[in-house]
Amino acid sequence: GAVVSQHPSWVICKSGTSVKIECRSLDFQATTMFWYRQFPKQSLMLMATSNEGSKATYEQGVEKDKFLINHASLTLSTLTVTSAHPEDSSFYICSARGTSGSDEQYFGPGTRLTVT
Amino acid sequence: AQRVTQPEKLLSVFKGAPVELKCNYSYSGSPELFWYVQYSRQRLQLLLRHISRESIKGFTADLNKGETSFHLKKPFAQEEDSAMYYCALKGGSEKLVFGKGTKLTVNP
Repeated sequence: GAVVSQHPSWVICKSGTSVKIECRSLDFQATTMFWYRQFPKQSLMLMATSNEGSKATYEQGVEKDKFLINHASLTLSTLTVTSAHPEDSSFYICSARGTSGSDEQYFGPGTRLTVT
Repeated sequence: AQRVTQPEKLLSVFKGAPVELKCNYSYSGSPELFWYVQYSRQRLQLLLRHISRESIKGFTADLNKGETSFHLKKPFAQEEDSAMYYCALKGGSEKLVFGKGTKLTVNP
């Protein structure tokens, strides 16, 4: 149980276009989802915390107009990278926390974004 | 500010040898500390957390508030322990702050 999926696993887009990444909790309901970014050989950096039905809370330095997060249901959160640039190329990972009272975060496999 | 430091990027040991992955943290309150593991081509998964005080796959970690450390230890390393290990801290909120990770290689 407690499986989180991400789609796509890998995406290449052209500079200036937008790309959407989905994060789904497959077998549990997630009131809270987290979006992380990981640069090569670096740690995971939290970008934003997403609560179902409300606006996401962004970390300092993360542009909310560039990284649009929507958490419309208890099993789906999306991250849209708008007007992507090569410096947005990175590994994006989501995690989800269930509604059972446990605070454990379950991580998705990540999405590799390459902006050309 | 919350900060997690893992001083070793790479750690290599032989099978059967003891292994210790170091983690130091900075936080003014009472933190929760975690160790996450990422095996090759797999997702990040929780290995253990200090409040559970349990041993998982032979690994243990003790929170030392005096030294602000949460080192991960295993007395006899196995080849299947080779992975990336991340120490993480949770302070007053639900956010996790991760260290940069240590890549452990257990040689046969």
